[in-house]
Amino acid sequence: GQNIDQPTEMTATEGAIVQINCTYQTSGFNGLFWYQQHAGEAPTFLSYNVLDGLEEKGRFSSFLSRSKGYSYLLLKELQMKDSASYLCAVVDSNYQLIWGAGTKLIIKP
Amino acid sequence: DGGITQSPKYLFRKEGQNVTLSCEQNLNHDAMYWYRQDPGQGLRLIYYSQIVNDFQKGDIAEGYSVSREKKESFPLTVTSAQKNPTAFYLCASSIGDSTSGNLETQYFGPGTRLLVL
Repeated sequence: GQNIDQPTEMTATEGAIVQINCTYQTSGFNGLFWYQQHAGEAPTFLSYNVLDGLEEKGRFSSFLSRSKGYSYLLLKELQMKDSASYLCAVVDSNYQLIWGAGTKLIIKP
Repeated sequence: DGGITQSPKYLFRKEGQNVTLSCEQNLNHDAMYWYRQDPGQGLRLIYYSQIVNDFQKGDIAEGYSVSREKKESFPLTVTSAQKNPTAFYLCASSIGDSTSGNLETQYFGPGTRLLVL
């Protein structure tokens, strides 16, 4: 079966750095998305990785290792507004989008 | 402003009742999607449409129906056959290049929370 694993919940301190991991076992791979979702709101696009390596976009970076079936989202200089759920989603060989359950990130002052 | 709107924000359903959730987009996107989100689970695809007058079942289509008569609109009906409808329903759209399918970024509406009385 297809599976995406993310930690259920993480806690971090304002101003710090946090890394949210995502591991996947899917039938093929055509890319990986990260979305941010504030409670009760729409998910919003953060990043898309299809090649190995790190992509940086301001305070957020996303890393992919296809051989390890692994990605992480790195958030720097954490702000209170970063408190949200972070969703990992993988496009499989049939171009189906498989979603993880999301990681709830709690930021403490 | 371009975007996706969903209404209502909250919807209550009685036993045996059909209810319809609205989704409208003015992004000129061809593809539209309906997802269901339950606590502790990933988004699950209910139905999707890549073009007007055409739609396909997703992973959990039973108990739901859709129509796509206009490019801008993709309403979802939760029928009485759906025995566990309480969830957060999200509508999304993407440009709809059929050659790249789900490689496109999806833009989501604000969601409708459906509760059963």
